Amino acid sequence: GAVVSQHPSRVICKSGTSVKIECRSLDFQATTMFWYRQFPKQSLMLMATSNEGSKATYEQGVEKDKFLINHASLTLSTLTVTSAHPEDSSFYICSASKTSGSTDTQYFGPGTRLTVL
Amino acid sequence: EDQVTQSPEALRLQEGESSSLNCSYTVSGLRGLFWYRQDPGKGPEFLFTLYSAGEEKEKERLKATLTKKESFLHITAPKPEDSATYLCAVHGSGSARQLTFGSGTQLTVLP
Repeated sequence: GAVVSQHPSRVICKSGTSVKIECRSLDFQATTMFWYRQFPKQSLMLMATSNEGSKATYEQGVEKDKFLINHASLTLSTLTVTSAHPEDSSFYICSASKTSGSTDTQYFGPGTRLTVL
Repeated sequence: EDQVTQSPEALRLQEGESSSLNCSYTVSGLRGLFWYRQDPGKGPEFLFTLYSAGEEKEKERLKATLTKKESFLHITAPKPEDSATYLCAVHGSGSARQLTFGSGTQLTVLP
């Protein structure tokens, strides 16, 4: 199997506070993890690619100082939303890339619903 | 730039009414085409990977096929629990490990 967990599943915070979301690959090691954001009725928007032991690569338009990504081990990546504002409210989903032969397959976590008041 | 277009945007079927979802793509060097299922408020669930034209894969009532320009997800005798959004994504040789997603097809199966 390939199981990816996320914690927390839901978080409500006040404007100006920081929120950390954890993404773990439970039964495999993932050199690469991805962070996505999804708005209602829309598809996934890639925010950044997280590589173990190196700096994350952010997509155009994503503020790296606002969305801090750390990939400290082969099974854990974290996304910290700093100084959160209501416009950061969204559904955040991580994925972990599992390599089998010459193929990489992304397995997704269950998502984190962030609400900023 | 890799592109993925899914159709229809939404599909309503009666239970037992078979149909197909379409995923058209353009990619520079296909390394894999992926199908995922996403339920509301949850992350996508991996279904299939297809690598080359002519390949087919099956899982329960679902069968995915691939040509050089498109992929189909055939749903045979669907049940209400098959209701979900189905996402198609491609991994091209120009992308490190990133996927390009389509906008999805929202499938509703009525009892």
